Amino acid sequence: DVKVTQSSRYLVKRTGEKVFLECVQDMDHENMFWYRQDPGLGLRLIYFSYDVKMKEKGDIPEGYSVSREKKERFSLILESASTNQTSMYLCASSLSGRGIYGYTFGSGTRLTVV
Amino acid sequence: RKEVEQDPGPFNVPEGATVAFNCTYSNSASQSFFWYRQDCRKEPKLLMSVYSSGNEDGRFTAQLNRASQYISLLIRDSKLSDSATYLCVVNPLSNDYKLSFGAGTTVTVRA
Repeated sequence: DVKVTQSSRYLVKRTGEKVFLECVQDMDHENMFWYRQDPGLGLRLIYFSYDVKMKEKGDIPEGYSVSREKKERFSLILESASTNQTSMYLCASSLSGRGIYGYTFGSGTRLTVV
Repeated sequence: RKEVEQDPGPFNVPEGATVAFNCTYSNSASQSFFWYRQDCRKEPKLLMSVYSSGNEDGRFTAQLNRASQYISLLIRDSKLSDSATYLCVVNPLSNDYKLSFGAGTTVTVRA
């Protein structure tokens, strides 16, 4: 089974802090994604990466950056956390194949910014 | 218009009932379709892919209607454990890596 592991299940940070969310997958998947999920809004794509050191903006990249230095690891960075970034953050990975394969998700990080 | 639209429900059904719901997608060039299941405060998990000819997995049947641009999910003999939110997922562009997610349909199965 593919495993996607997110470093923290719950996180509380203060406004203005720099926040790092880590995601590691163990099945050599090329594609990795970061989503946030909010009630009534569904899943929204923040950033994705289809190769090491490659990244592309999703639908809501503002206030976020990402890093992919190794194939198995994809990090999401909140440069200066704000209360409107309180959300559930989900990392996902998939095989290459331009969307023909479904995603496997990590168990999520519930981030609260106070 | 959203790429993927779903009736949010909730669908409240008794155990043993059949429940079915649809989702519509906007891009006629979409190639890949999936249903995901998400339990409360958990991550989405792949339930089944949806193939052109329709497919079945136990009590779950998925259908694709390209002409009308919708996919459906039918759950037979509902169990309490089927209570969840079901996400419709589409790959809207055949040359893209990204999937588009519907906001989900909530199903509650009562004893």
